[in-house]
Amino acid sequence: DAGVTQSPTHLIKTRGQQVTLRCSPKSGHDTVSWYQQALGQGPQFIFQYYEEEERQRGNFPDRFSGHQFPNYSSELNVNALLLGDSALYLCASSLWDRSYEQYFGPGTRLTVT
Amino acid sequence: AQSVTQLGSHVSVSEGALVLLRCNYSSSVPPYLFWYVQYPNQGLQLLLKYTSAATLVKGINGFEAEFKKSETSFHLTKPSAHMSDAAEYFCAVSDREGYKLSFGAGTTVTVRA
Repeated sequence: DAGVTQSPTHLIKTRGQQVTLRCSPKSGHDTVSWYQQALGQGPQFIFQYYEEEERQRGNFPDRFSGHQFPNYSSELNVNALLLGDSALYLCASSLWDRSYEQYFGPGTRLTVT
Repeated sequence: AQSVTQLGSHVSVSEGALVLLRCNYSSSVPPYLFWYVQYPNQGLQLLLKYTSAATLVKGINGFEAEFKKSETSFHLTKPSAHMSDAAEYFCAVSDREGYKLSFGAGTTVTVRA
């Protein structure tokens, strides 16, 4: 049973650039949530996707956007990168009617220089 | 809004000793509560969850947690620490709609030989 997968593992970008991170959910799951984990902190909720729509959003600017595809995989896009966007980005998948039970991927480490 | 507070950012225990990690929650409605573990450079792994069934919850790797409504607590324990328990532990809370998890700041556990 394949778990949640994310790509790439690591990424280095320059301020002002744009980045796209990818996530494939656990087999059978239809809901994807994204979290940002800054160094030394707990993860912070960015947004959640179900049926290809953004269902809920945390306190993040519009520079952060996402997409969900018909196969339930998802992308996180960040525009106009800031140094403060450097973090571990975690994808979590779940079933929509049990979306409190989230399974996390290994994360993408983004470094902005 | 839900939130959790983890008491103690770092806990050091001897191998074979009791592990006790403290978590207090704030919620206006009965919450769902979770403990996750994160090993270096990895994502989050679910240790255990409370979803209003038994108040004493058993998880993986010998961990357990007790939901105490009167104390708004959900402390994590393990009777005998093993070297492999060295990691960062996060307490998280979700409302019944379950669209997002709110995490504490984390507690780093080190195990002394």
